[in-house]
Amino acid sequence: SQQGEEDPQALSIQEGENATMNCSYKTSINNLQWYRQNSGRGLVHLILIRSNEREKHSGRLRVTLDTSKKSSSLLITASRAADTASYFCATASNTGKLIFGQGTTLQVKP
Amino acid sequence: GAGVSQSPSNKVTEKGKDVELRCDPISGHTALYWYRQSLGQGLEFLIYFQGNSAPDKSGLPSDRFSAERTGGSVSTLTIQRTQQEDSAVYLCASSLEGVLGGVRNTEAFFGQGTRLTVV
Repeated sequence: SQQGEEDPQALSIQEGENATMNCSYKTSINNLQWYRQNSGRGLVHLILIRSNEREKHSGRLRVTLDTSKKSSSLLITASRAADTASYFCATASNTGKLIFGQGTTLQVKP
Repeated sequence: GAGVSQSPSNKVTEKGKDVELRCDPISGHTALYWYRQSLGQGLEFLIYFQGNSAPDKSGLPSDRFSAERTGGSVSTLTIQRTQQEDSAVYLCASSLEGVLGGVRNTEAFFGQGTRLTVV
């Protein structure tokens, strides 16, 4: 079963601009994570935010979490062409089960 | 090994045949996940193994799909009597589960996947 829904499905921006992706979910979570996927193969973990946290930063990444609205956002600042990829949010339940959203495809034009 | 290893990387099979997909998780990782991804789509959860607990099989799409994890390490996903709609990339991930202060650390490390094509 899928839990996360992400929007937009696709995003195209110019290099140097910021990119914002949103994720909504339905059930209670232990934590929420964001992953990146290049070329339709393995995913790479970017950042994890716990259910008792509201904001977290890692380099050019900023993640927010609003548990009352069951939503999260990922902001990539000063985007680069190399950021072009698909980005997925994943919710972790208290049993550790990870459920992924449908993803946002980001294209950063040089 | 250094990362999660999946084999084969590509598999072409005839409709009706059985296939086995293998996943070697990172040594010491107690949690193992299988997902399926169709072209341009999200990851569909299939099954989750955690330590000695009974696996969460709630995502398996039909009884043609089964998975086992031997000795808490290597996992095999078996698809019997394959159908064309089974064609997808099958992704395996593992994580070193831990609970600290009630918060689970579930950062998952993914293999490169097995691309299954049923003809």
